[in-house]
Amino acid sequence: DAGVTQSPTHLIKTRGQQVTLRCSPKSGHDTVSWYQQALGQGPQFIFQYYEEEERQRGNFPDRFSGHQFPNYSSELNVNALLLGDSALYLCASSQGLPYNEQFFGPGTRLTVL
Amino acid sequence: RKEVEQDPGPFNVPEGATVAFNCTYSNSASQSFFWYRQDCRKEPKLLMSVYSSGNEDGRFTAQLNRASQYISLLIRDSKLSDSATYLCVVAASGGSYIPTFGRGTSLIVHP
Repeated sequence: DAGVTQSPTHLIKTRGQQVTLRCSPKSGHDTVSWYQQALGQGPQFIFQYYEEEERQRGNFPDRFSGHQFPNYSSELNVNALLLGDSALYLCASSQGLPYNEQFFGPGTRLTVL
Repeated sequence: RKEVEQDPGPFNVPEGATVAFNCTYSNSASQSFFWYRQDCRKEPKLLMSVYSSGNEDGRFTAQLNRASQYISLLIRDSKLSDSATYLCVVAASGGSYIPTFGRGTSLIVHP
């Protein structure tokens, strides 16, 4: 049983560029949440997708957007990258709403130069 | 006051010791509580959910104190492999289910 997978593993971008990160949830899970984790901090909730709709959103600007596909996989898009966007981006999947046990993928480490 | 607070540590303990971490939360509407473990440069892994009646899983015991708004994690007979960062997560019910993580408590178990 495959767990949560994310791609790519690492990414280097320059300021102003755009990036797309991808996530496939654990088998049987239909809810995907995205988090940003800066060094030495806990994960910060970006948003959550369920039934292809954004259900909850944390305190992140509109530069952060997402999408969920019919197969429950999800994408996180970040436009106009800033140096401060450098972080580990984690995807977590769970079953249903509102908030159940989440299982995390290995993350995508984004570096913005 | 932050929504979820944890002492970042590090807690430096010898093998076999008992160690306890607390996590305080500010939202009294919080309904879901979890402990995660995160190894260096890895993803968080679910350690255990925290139930109102408390729960135990082997050497790990989690407790919830709603009156004082904190959860705790007790680790007995610490192993070297317990060295990690322990993150608490709190989520409110009702209109907003946004889960809030603490910054984590670092545990170092030494021989």
